[in-house]
Amino acid sequence: EAGVTQFPSHSVIEKGQTVTLRCDPISGHDNLYWYRRVMGKEIKFLLHFVKESKQDESGMPNNRFLAERTGGTYSTLKVQPAELEDSGVYFCASSPYPGTQYFGPGTRLTVL
Amino acid sequence: ELKVEQNPLFLSMQEGKNYTIYCNYSTTSDRLYWYRQDPGKSLESLFVLLSNGAVKQEGRLMASLDTKARLSTLHITAAVHDLSATYFCAVYTSGTYKYIFGTGTRLKVLA
Repeated sequence: EAGVTQFPSHSVIEKGQTVTLRCDPISGHDNLYWYRRVMGKEIKFLLHFVKESKQDESGMPNNRFLAERTGGTYSTLKVQPAELEDSGVYFCASSPYPGTQYFGPGTRLTVL
Repeated sequence: ELKVEQNPLFLSMQEGKNYTIYCNYSTTSDRLYWYRQDPGKSLESLFVLLSNGAVKQEGRLMASLDTKARLSTLHITAAVHDLSATYFCAVYTSGTYKYIFGTGTRLKVLA
């Protein structure tokens, strides 16, 4: 069974540009989560989808971040416009029900 | 607000030695997870600890949970190079559906 996949694995962009990260959860998992790890710090929760609905978006830093999960399958996280402090590793996780989450390999975002 | 403190942040140890990573958290939780991450790879679930006094072991790793002290430990016995990775603890509270992670411990085992 395929695990959680994320695309791209790395992204380097200029400040002010737009970047879209994609996450494909494990098939059948209704719950999808986004987390972010800024260099050397803890992994922080961003938001949680149940199917296509946002269950909790309390961790989203500001309105430059937009997450979607159309059709309740894959999810995208768009950063527009990107700022230097947005650099970090963005992790996606999925689960069939609340509890143990299965993580993807992350997307390393560098904003120059 | 739930806070999770993990230490040490970095750990360099010789093969064959023992060491412990600590994870303290500030409020009650339903379960505690330990994850391992190799560079560029997914976080791999190692252990989930559900109750006070829970102890789980897999190979050279043993995790324990003391809910009264709000402390979990990950003990490494006779370290080998293959254990080099970053280890995270994460606390989960039902109702919030999210993990609160520690800062991670970057472990390097020297041959």
